[in-house]
Amino acid sequence: GAGVSQSPSNKVTEKGKDVELRCDPISGHTALYWYRQSLGQGLEFLIYFQGNSAPDKSGLPSDRFSAERTGGSVSTLTIQRTQQEDSAVYLCASSLDRLNTEAFFGQGTRLTVV
Amino acid sequence: ELKVEQNPLFLSMQEGKNYTIYCNYSTTSDRLYWYRQDPGKSLESLFVLLSNGAVKQEGRLMASLDTKARLSTLHITAAVHDLSATYFCAVEETSGSRLTFGEGTQLTVNP
Repeated sequence: GAGVSQSPSNKVTEKGKDVELRCDPISGHTALYWYRQSLGQGLEFLIYFQGNSAPDKSGLPSDRFSAERTGGSVSTLTIQRTQQEDSAVYLCASSLDRLNTEAFFGQGTRLTVV
Repeated sequence: ELKVEQNPLFLSMQEGKNYTIYCNYSTTSDRLYWYRQDPGKSLESLFVLLSNGAVKQEGRLMASLDTKARLSTLHITAAVHDLSATYFCAVEETSGSRLTFGEGTQLTVNP
């Protein structure tokens, strides 16, 4: 596609439910990032996929968070047993490869846990 | 662990004035990026700086990178209201590693 696509754009869920957030990176991009941005805050790194390498999961805040990237393309971020503090905008970005690392961001998924 | 710090975090300036935003980082890197974020929007790539001494300019914004000082600057010339946004710098520690972002500088340009 023309850009990074995320879905849904907005998600309201009840505390304790599981949610899945989807990211379609730019076609051909080998690197994919997930970041979280709380209201008025900076970007908190969550996870980074680069080609076939093992993902850098060092930013995942708890074991309730997981992400996978199937076939080197689409990625899904899953949050289990959501808590109110999980409410944030979840941003996905992709970049071409290890040498061309300018990251292009999607529009984000605004998650609200009530 | 790589740390990226921006200064100032909040900046209010008048139209027509000049100002500089600073981005300091804690470890060796020669890849630095600047992004702009409008309220409620995602991040837009502004500049890619890939070597010591790199300087890029677009309109009223100019970015530079000094890898020896571990410092990048984003200079605003003759600010206009349309530049009001939050500006983030991001550093890639080693080739192919993740980007670490600064806290962001919220810029408000007043008429």
